[in-house]
Amino acid sequence: DAGITQSPRHKVTETGTPVTLRCHQTENHRYMYWYRQDPGHGLRLIHYSYGVKDTDKGEVSDGYSVSRSKTEDFLLTLESATSSQTSVYFCAIRVATEAFFGQGTRLTVV
Amino acid sequence: EDQVTQSPEALRLQEGESSSLNCSYTVSGLRGLFWYRQDPGKGPEFLFTLYSAGEEKEKERLKATLTKKESFLHITAPKPEDSATYLCAVQDTGTASKLTFGTGTRLQVTL
Repeated sequence: DAGITQSPRHKVTETGTPVTLRCHQTENHRYMYWYRQDPGHGLRLIHYSYGVKDTDKGEVSDGYSVSRSKTEDFLLTLESATSSQTSVYFCAIRVATEAFFGQGTRLTVV
Repeated sequence: EDQVTQSPEALRLQEGESSSLNCSYTVSGLRGLFWYRQDPGKGPEFLFTLYSAGEEKEKERLKATLTKKESFLHITAPKPEDSATYLCAVQDTGTASKLTFGTGTRLQVTL
């Protein structure tokens, strides 16, 4: 599983509440990514990081923020959750040229 | 803008019935093309990376090939355990390791 742990694995939250998802890696890889997966859209990049405190936006970054204060942890925050953010969220790390994914977090915003 | 289109959306095969999945792509410069397998409720599992036209890679019953415009994932004599969604992704030379994914082909192999 490439040493990636996502938490929580499932979450139900109410509209307007803040939510933080965590991605933890055990091998100190530099690049980490957050994707969301929705039917008909495939995996879309939200944000990525190329080092501690170095992050950049992906194609669907509106409504999301990220932080990386340690190499091993990459946090994704929904500042004020909306129903359109109901999705499955995947974290990935880059090892050489390949990306390896975590098991995902299923988030439901009601 | 990078684009990836996979076809067919869904494919049903009988065990032993070989077929191919298609991934057409548009990028300004290809750094790599990636194939993943995804089982329900799981994260994508890496299968192959292809870097240049003419390259081929094999793993068990799977063989991936690459041209300048598309990639094929050939499945030879599939078994029910090959049932999954197969995802294709491209990495552009100018996009700092970001991947652009297709929507996948859902493969079902029956006895």
